[in-house]
Amino acid sequence: LAKTTQPISMDSYEGQEVNITCSHNNIATNDYITWYQQFPSQGPRFIIQGYKTKVTNEVASLFIPADRKSSTLSLPRVSLSDTAVYYCLVGGGNNNDMRFGAGTRLTVKP
Amino acid sequence: DTAVSQTPKYLVTQMGNDKSIKCEQNLGHDTMYWYKQDSKKFLKIMFSYNNKELIINETVPNRFSPKSPDKAHLNLHINSLELGDSAVYFCASSPIDKRGYTFGSGTRLTVV
Repeated sequence: LAKTTQPISMDSYEGQEVNITCSHNNIATNDYITWYQQFPSQGPRFIIQGYKTKVTNEVASLFIPADRKSSTLSLPRVSLSDTAVYYCLVGGGNNNDMRFGAGTRLTVKP
Repeated sequence: DTAVSQTPKYLVTQMGNDKSIKCEQNLGHDTMYWYKQDSKKFLKIMFSYNNKELIINETVPNRFSPKSPDKAHLNLHINSLELGDSAVYFCASSPIDKRGYTFGSGTRLTVV
């Protein structure tokens, strides 16, 4: 299973764009890249998923370079309520389960 | 509401006791999971059930036993509870392609 590496923590201010990069050098051909968000005392919540290039939804954008060895989650104009832990997961190809890494703790300040 | 629901939300018990946590999903998903999140907030997969068949057992102690009466339910039984079992336990489910997980709200287990 592909291992992921992402920063342990990041700080930002309200209104800024936040980019969190995840490395996954041994991603398999059929693997997808998925990001989850977890607030304290809650279960992780699906944010976005992609396979290659760029994916955008109402919450975030996901940028994946051609070699797929990394990905960047982009959160536009963050607010205080975006303070959470963000997990990058790689898997799902060939029905492989996804494993959680340590996550990135994002703190948004006023 | 379509969701993954688990009960109880909080569970405080003494060492040596046996307890169960229940989980139900009404999403029609094929696979259900149990995750453990310890005090360091690391999420570790414990079990995975696909159509009532155990397909992952991540070297957890055999005091932990998942029970799946049907595709929509995956309960977690824990025997002879130990202090180190204190954690938040999350139930989750996914469709057959395992590309998207839906998590329950967690059960905070405290062993005293």
